[in-house]
Amino acid sequence: SQQGEEDPQALSIQEGENATMNCSYKTSINNLQWYRQNSGRGLVHLILIRSNEREKHSGRLRVTLDTSKKSSSLLITASRAADTASYFCATAPPGANSKLTFGKGITLSVRP
Amino acid sequence: NAGVMQNPRHLVRRRGQEARLRCSPMKGHSHVYWYRQLPEEGLKFMVYLQKENIIDESGMPKERFSAEFPKEGPSILRIQQVVRGDSAAYFCASSPGQGYGYTFGSGTRLTVV
Repeated sequence: SQQGEEDPQALSIQEGENATMNCSYKTSINNLQWYRQNSGRGLVHLILIRSNEREKHSGRLRVTLDTSKKSSSLLITASRAADTASYFCATAPPGANSKLTFGKGITLSVRP
Repeated sequence: NAGVMQNPRHLVRRRGQEARLRCSPMKGHSHVYWYRQLPEEGLKFMVYLQKENIIDESGMPKERFSAEFPKEGPSILRIQQVVRGDSAAYFCASSPGQGYGYTFGSGTRLTVV
């Protein structure tokens, strides 16, 4: 079963607005990661946040993690048309030899 | 650094044929992962390999599917006697170890006719 579930499933905003995407998960994690996928392409790693971290920034991206609620959010500030893509959260459980489990993704459309 | 290289990009096979998908990880990455993606869906884990070892194949169908990552050369995902339901995009990813982000290839789109 999917570990991470993103919300909303689809989001449409105007260029310049902020986009907030949420991810909930069920079991303990070592870290949580966000990826972007443009249509027909592979996934691109955006940011990794470890279970002992609460917030991380990378350029226009801000990720928060609340392990008590088992949830994370990805904020893209000042969105651009080029941010149009699908966004996935992925969780890595504790322990050696673990692999990432991906959610179904959020489709973000940024209107010019 | 060419990133993760997958080939072919597109592969068409008739039902019953074999499909061989190749993945060369990023230089310095010893962990390889294969995922399958159906349209409008997320990625489903298939198998996790390190050089000459299968670490976790819990996502691989028990029959017709196999994977290897030999000491020399790329990782191979092999699907024997393909069926229409095998049509999907297959992505390979690599990482330098546990606790790192993955670098993905561009995928192989398999179509079974």
